[in-house]
Amino acid sequence: NAGVTQTPKFQVLKTGQSMTLQCAQDMNHNSMYWYRQDPGMGLRLIYYSASEGTTDKGEVPNGYNVSRLNKREFSLRLESAAPSQTSVYFCASSERLAENSPLHFGNGTRLTVT
Amino acid sequence: AQSVTQLGSHVSVSEGALVLLRCNYSSSVPPYLFWYVQYPNQGLQLLLKYTTGATLVKGINGFEAEFKKSETSFHLTKPSAHMSDAAEYFCAVKKDSSASKIIFGSGTRLSIRP
Repeated sequence: NAGVTQTPKFQVLKTGQSMTLQCAQDMNHNSMYWYRQDPGMGLRLIYYSASEGTTDKGEVPNGYNVSRLNKREFSLRLESAAPSQTSVYFCASSERLAENSPLHFGNGTRLTVT
Repeated sequence: AQSVTQLGSHVSVSEGALVLLRCNYSSSVPPYLFWYVQYPNQGLQLLLKYTTGATLVKGINGFEAEFKKSETSFHLTKPSAHMSDAAEYFCAVKKDSSASKIIFGSGTRLSIRP
């Protein structure tokens, strides 16, 4: 029972480089999310996908793009990395976008941009 | 605007002592409330959730939380702390089905003294 799997676990980028963070879930969930976690700021929503074929901006979407490849996979792309994007990134999924549907998280990707 | 406040970024208790982690929310209507736990180098896991009905909610690992509408609070408690409870705890509130309305608190790091 893998749950939510994120790759890579760690990544170091130089300013201006691009990369894609991968996320896959095996729980047949409809909704998927990307968050970033910074010290003292809790989690902030970057993008989400309510269902296959849809994506929407969250609280901090600038500098990121997403693709909901299929029901299982939801990727996050940084086109031109900046030091301000140094953070821990979490992918999450939920059964649906309902009020009481809890989130299931991956173990995170720790990204450093130099 | 909806918000979540966790009082105390760091709480330290002795093993066997009562754990009390505070969470207050601001909302014009009763929201859906969650507590998540994050162990080092892992993603967040759901501890418990309040939706409707009984105001005292029991979660995993002996934790429970009480929804008090009059105080707009959802404090997390455990009667007797264990060393394995050392982690970061996040309160989260969701008012409606919009994913962008999931608001996380800034987190409380719980340390357990032997």
